[in-house]
Amino acid sequence: DVKVTQSSRYLVKRTGEKVFLECVQDMDHENMFWYRQDPGLGLRLIYFSYDVKMKEKGDIPEGYSVSREKKERFSLILESASTNQTSMYLCASLPRTASPKAFFGQGTRLTVV
Amino acid sequence: AQSVTQLDSHVSVSEGTPVLLRCNYSSSYSPSLFWYVQHPNKGLQLLLKYTSAATLVKGINGFEAEFKKSETSFHLTKPSAHMSDAAEYFCVVSSNFNKFYFGSGTKLNVKP
Repeated sequence: DVKVTQSSRYLVKRTGEKVFLECVQDMDHENMFWYRQDPGLGLRLIYFSYDVKMKEKGDIPEGYSVSREKKERFSLILESASTNQTSMYLCASLPRTASPKAFFGQGTRLTVV
Repeated sequence: AQSVTQLDSHVSVSEGTPVLLRCNYSSSYSPSLFWYVQHPNKGLQLLLKYTSAATLVKGINGFEAEFKKSETSFHLTKPSAHMSDAAEYFCVVSSNFNKFYFGSGTKLNVKP
């Protein structure tokens, strides 16, 4: 079965720190996504990538950047963490097929203090 | 432009009674629609998907959803709720599989 692995389940960082969230998938999927999940808001798309070195902004990219140097790895970067970025972050991947199923990681709960 | 509206943030049913979770969507193109479930402290799991084949879609755990283009709806149903169905459910729309738009979620509570 496809595995999407996020490097940490829980993270606590200080305001102003640079934070890296890593996501790795093992099925050669072209598309990868980063979402944040907040109560009452569902999942909101931060960035997505449809190929190596390709990235596109989602609905809430402010304060975030991404990196996709290898097909299997999609990193989310918080250049200077702020308390309003405390959230659950979910990574997803899916193949570029006619009927895809998105596979999600377990999530990283980030707390910025 | 695409968007998803889940009409109820919380739904409470008794065990053994039917479940209805409502979802309306808007999409400029022929959409693909999905329902995902998230149990507490667990990851997202795909329940079912509609991708322009049969309008009535059967998923896992006895769930179904019907795509109604005229009503722009994709409501999730189950004839008889089980305690293990208690979770949060997300309706998702995508037109080209490059972006998945999630609804705000519906928390299903199942009473004994």
